[in-house]
Parts: sequence; C-alpha cells; structure tokens
Amino acid sequence: DIQMTQSPSSLRASVGDRVIITCRASQSISRFLNWYHQKAGKAPALLIYAASSLQSGVPSRFSGSGSGTDFTLIINTLQPEDFGTYYCQQTNNYPLTFGGGTKVEIK
Amino acid sequence: EAQLLESGGDLVQPGGSLRLSCVASGFTFSDYAMNWVRQAPGKGLEWVSSITSGGSTTFYSDSVKGRFTISRDNSKNTLYLQMNSLRVEDTALYSCAKYDGSGSGRWFDPWGQGTLVTVSS
Repeated sequence: DIQMTQSPSSLRASVGDRVIITCRASQSISRFLNWYHQKAGKAPALLIYAASSLQSGVPSRFSGSGSGTDFTLIINTLQPEDFGTYYCQQTNNYPLTFGGGTKVEIK
Repeated sequence: EAQLLESGGDLVQPGGSLRLSCVASGFTFSDYAMNWVRQAPGKGLEWVSSITSGGSTTFYSDSVKGRFTISRDNSKNTLYLQMNSLRVEDTALYSCAKYDGSGSGRWFDPWGQGTLVTVSS
C-alpha cells in the first residue's frame, strides 16, 4: 500500500500569511495527487487535482506542485475561510489512500 | 450541479448489519465510478470501497474486505454499501463520492454530507 505522509500535522497562521503544506508518497504516484479542504462539520471539497490543476471555482491563491513522491500545497494570502483541515490523496493505485491531514488554525 | 445524498446510517450492535444508500443527481450516474469513504469521529479520511461505472469491478480496503459489499443500481441513480459483521471500529461518518477524471488524473468530486454509523452494544 502507498503511504501518504503530510506535514505539518497542524499549524497556526494569521490572515494574510503564506501557508505551505507538504505531502510525501511512499512510492512514485506520478501526478495522481489531489488536495481537499474540510471545514468542521462539512464534506471535503476538492481544491487541486492531478497535482497542480485548480478545481473550478477555487480561488487562485491556492496552488499545487510536485510529481513522483513529493508534493506541495501553497496558500498565498490566507483568508478566514481557509481555516480547517487539508488532506492529500493518491489515486495512482488501489488501495486509494489519504494523508493524515493538516489542521490550519488561527493564530 | 452534481449532488449526492446518503442515508441508512444507524446505531447497530457489534456483529450486526446495515445497508447504506447514496442517491445521485445532477449528472449521468451511469457514466462514473463511485466511492465510499469514512471518517471516524475526530479522525482523518479513510477510503473504503470503489465501484466502476457499470458495476462490474469493485475494490475494497483491507479493513472491510470480506465484510462490506459495494453495489449500484444505475436505473435508480443509487450507490449502496452493504455492511456485515460490523465492529466497533467501523463507527464513522460514511460518505459517497463521485470519481472523476481519466488517465492523467482521478479525483473525488463532489462528496455527500455523509450518514453516521455507530457500532456499539
């Protein structure tokens, strides 16, 4: 099984900050890497698919990069609605797997 | 707009069974593979099972293989998860998600709000 390791597991940031979240796969997954944002009590929402493609309707302050085993999600100019938990997911092989999540909290 | 609505969650005793349903709307259900994902209280996301668009091929996580069965009825735009031999550790919010994409990438979008399964004596 492919293990997905996110870091950090949590972070505290202020509105306007630049936030960087990383995700590492235990083996190469090409660009089959997605990022989701989950707010408390809500369903996860797709942010980035195929490592770097921005989902329709998602603000341009979100960006993704990487291929193979190392991936990055960047949030430029953090906004109040960006707080919550972010998950990476690999869809290269079954079983599909998620990272453990990164909880972004208000400083 | 694509939407998914789950139902069927309940309180059940260990060893019991439950069938979850997920009704799809706003897209051609029969064109897409579908998934079940669960989230235990206060925990992260765990993929449970996938099924191809026609229903001929299924995939399961090791934690549910042999106990859960995914299926679909394309005439009713409905996805199912039959859960047998339930364990306390199966307690979670179960959500369905549409599997989109193709050879260059595959992703879950949208997700339903989920239905809560509680396994307890």
